[in-house]
Amino acid sequence: QKEVEQNSGPLSVPEGAIASLNCTYSDRGSQSFFWYRQYSGKSPELIMFIYSNGDKEDGRFTAQLNKASQYVSLLIRDSQPSDSATYLCAATGYSSASKIIFGSGTRLSIRP
Amino acid sequence: EPEVTQTPSHQVTQMGQEVILRCVPISNHLYFYWYRQILGQKVEFLVSFYNNEISEKSEIFDDQFSVERPDGSNFTLKIRSTKLEDSAMYFCASRSGLAGETQYFGPGTRLTVL
Repeated sequence: QKEVEQNSGPLSVPEGAIASLNCTYSDRGSQSFFWYRQYSGKSPELIMFIYSNGDKEDGRFTAQLNKASQYVSLLIRDSQPSDSATYLCAATGYSSASKIIFGSGTRLSIRP
Repeated sequence: EPEVTQTPSHQVTQMGQEVILRCVPISNHLYFYWYRQILGQKVEFLVSFYNNEISEKSEIFDDQFSVERPDGSNFTLKIRSTKLEDSAMYFCASRSGLAGETQYFGPGTRLTVL
């Protein structure tokens, strides 16, 4: 069974600090990895994707991938109250038709 | 910016009734998906569809479920005889198939089975 595991949280971080979210995946064949943000009752919103080992930065967000450890992380710098949401880690295989396998999500709360 | 649309936004039905959830994927996309999310649980894959046929389906996608692309724009999910446990958010997604492109999700249909 291919799994993506995340700590469910809640993770509470003060405004302006760095929020660090982590996940692990079980399928070594996974090729691409995603971080989605989901507000209650809404659909997942893509924040970043990464498929190469190392870091990928986009504004306040940095995704990190370590395929040897099967580990993906997301750093949010200068956290804002609007960043409060559930963050879903997800993975997909090589095929164009590959399904996305989601983790259960980490609830992030940014306290003013 | 093109987006995936879904109708209705909320569907209430009686147990045993048939429902059809509709999606309009992004126009030049080739791969289509349905996912569902039961309240408080993770987003789960149901089915993928390419070239007018199912590419992959999960264990959840049993004989009560079917998908169809009846014309060049719509992609539908039919549940023949709904059960209480079918109550969930259903998300449609589409993908172009270009390298590096991800799946784009619609806003979802909340299905409530009474």
